[in-house]
Amino acid sequence: GAVVSQHPSRVICKSGTSVKIECRSLDFQATTMFWYRQFPKQSLMLMATSNEGSKATYEQGVEKDKFLINHASLTLSTLTVTSAHPEDSSFYICSARGHPFSYEQYFGPGTRLTVT
Amino acid sequence: AQKVTQAQTEISVVEKEDVTLDCVYETRDTTYYLFWYKQPPSGELVFLIRRNSFDEQNEISGRYSWNFQKSTSSFNFTITASQVVDSAVYFCALIIGQTGANNLFFGTGTRLTVIP
Repeated sequence: GAVVSQHPSRVICKSGTSVKIECRSLDFQATTMFWYRQFPKQSLMLMATSNEGSKATYEQGVEKDKFLINHASLTLSTLTVTSAHPEDSSFYICSARGHPFSYEQYFGPGTRLTVT
Repeated sequence: AQKVTQAQTEISVVEKEDVTLDCVYETRDTTYYLFWYKQPPSGELVFLIRRNSFDEQNEISGRYSWNFQKSTSSFNFTITASQVVDSAVYFCALIIGQTGANNLFFGTGTRLTVIP
């Protein structure tokens, strides 16, 4: 099956700093990438949907200035958490879709962010 | 509006017992796709099955089986002869629409613990 990687797998940063998470589709071109957030023992919540070359669409309640998403190529999307705070600590998971009309999403392994 | 309900938050069974995880969904669309994912402690999402709304045939894959019933809007998942490696959080999810262009709506997950 299709492979999606995320880097880093774990990151610890200090409050007030920014951290970038990369999501790559390794063996296919991802026209759309999704970013999810998962708090401990909770479900995955969609943060934003990004299409290559266009601005991301954010879900209600997600601050676009805080969670910057860039999908500059068909194989790479990045999520930057700016001015991170302890409440941003979470598990961030990306998924990628290869075809605009495909229902299939391929998930990355996730990135665990801890803000101290 | 779309919604996926997994009423069982946590289930514990003794190894070799059978266990059924319930999933009830809500959508007004006639075309949709249902999914089950497994999330082991490592965090990555493992795809288990996909079902489209026009295919009510039940499916069996090894120790796993799925019962899709549109009349009750349910898509239940049964593990036969459970094993310790089955311990994980299981998510039921829904994509709506003919093109499948929308995001996945996840249930809140069921944490399964298989006791040796």
